Amino acid sequence: DTAVSQTPKYLVTQMGNDKSIKCEQNLGHDTMYWYKQDSKKFLKIMFSYNNKELIINETVPNRFSPKSPDKAHLNLHINSLELGDSAVYFCASSPGASHYEQYFGPGTRLTVT
Amino acid sequence: QQPVQSPQAVILREGEDAVINCSSSKALYSVHWYRQKHGEAPVFLMILLKGGEQKGHDKISASFNEKKQQSSLYLTASQLSYSGTYFCGTVTTDSWGKLQFGAGTQVVVTP
Repeated sequence: DTAVSQTPKYLVTQMGNDKSIKCEQNLGHDTMYWYKQDSKKFLKIMFSYNNKELIINETVPNRFSPKSPDKAHLNLHINSLELGDSAVYFCASSPGASHYEQYFGPGTRLTVT
Repeated sequence: QQPVQSPQAVILREGEDAVINCSSSKALYSVHWYRQKHGEAPVFLMILLKGGEQKGHDKISASFNEKKQQSSLYLTASQLSYSGTYFCGTVTTDSWGKLQFGAGTQVVVTP
């Protein structure tokens, strides 16, 4: 049973399109995250939700909008995609924030052409 | 502000030791270590909280010097399976809940 799952695994789309990435965790964790990993492997936090409430919102263009319908799900919607959005997006979850281990999903490789 | 990791890369022969350092310019609440293999997700190794503790995971251990705001990861008697990119992540005392990762250290263990 996959602990943290993401769909799709690969996403190829054209500039200007809108796309969504879905994430689900079956670990019963309270906190979920979205990270972006660029081509240089730099891993940067984007958003964090704790019990469906947004607790971290980094300096991310407002074209990116997370949504947490319930504790087990955190989706990421991206409007008007740009070339610079190409990256691997990881979802993660943890029992709580700050001093708990995070479990990462397999990642979604987004390529914008 | 993200932590600074060094070295950027290290090549080891099986059985050799290595140290990866992680330092922050801000006071730290916790330090996290993850390993990521090529094409895979980062995997949690260990977390160190304020208090200067040391932890171990198989032959991989880490220390946390709270006063110097530094942590070190020790790879002892390295195995081929240790290859990957090691990331330290830090939570600073003024930014609770936000884990910021360093740029990573690529480790290659050769036979």
